[in-house]
Amino acid sequence: DIQMTQSPSSLSASVGDRVTITCQASQDISSYLNWYQQKPGKAPKLLIYDASNLETGVPSRFTGSGSGTDFTFTISSLQPEDIATYYCQHYDYLPPITFGQGTRLEIK
Amino acid sequence: EVQLVESGGGLVQPGGSLRLSCETSGFSFSDHYMDWVRQAPGKGLEWVGRTRNKANRYTTEYAASVKGRFTISRDDSKNSLSLQMNSLKTEDTAVYYCARGALRGGTSFDYWGQGTLVTVSS
Repeated sequence: DIQMTQSPSSLSASVGDRVTITCQASQDISSYLNWYQQKPGKAPKLLIYDASNLETGVPSRFTGSGSGTDFTFTISSLQPEDIATYYCQHYDYLPPITFGQGTRLEIK
Repeated sequence: EVQLVESGGGLVQPGGSLRLSCETSGFSFSDHYMDWVRQAPGKGLEWVGRTRNKANRYTTEYAASVKGRFTISRDDSKNSLSLQMNSLKTEDTAVYYCARGALRGGTSFDYWGQGTLVTVSS
């Protein structure tokens, strides 16, 4: 099975900061990578699909990039409402589908 | 408006069974893959399993951790999804979410339910 290594596991940043989270796959997964935001007590929300495509309605300060084994998720200017845990997720036609371990983002 | 509403969670003893339901509305249920994803208390997300759509013969896939114990089914006439959980273990304790597979070529979960808590404990 493909393993997803997400880092860092936690992150503290100030409002207005640029924030970057990385996800590394154990083998080439092309662009089969999504990013989700989960706020406490809530269901996850899809932000980025196929590595770099912004889901409808998601603010443009959220971006994704990468292909192959290395992927990056960026918040260009951190807002207070962005406090959440972020997960990468790999998919393929044949499961299993795997999530990264998550990155907990806090305001400094 | 797309809605997914899970129900059926609760407290069950190890070795017991439980059936979760996910009632949906606001979209063409029969067109979509549907998945279950769980989250143990304070932990990350874990994919549980999937049912594909009619065009893909309603085939199912499961995570190794639940294969042979859990069964996913769907009723397109009722726009509903189910998860039958047997031989439950303490490590199955989690919030269980149903999630809709997007119709794009890849698999992303574009809508989620609010989750239902399953607690396996004696």
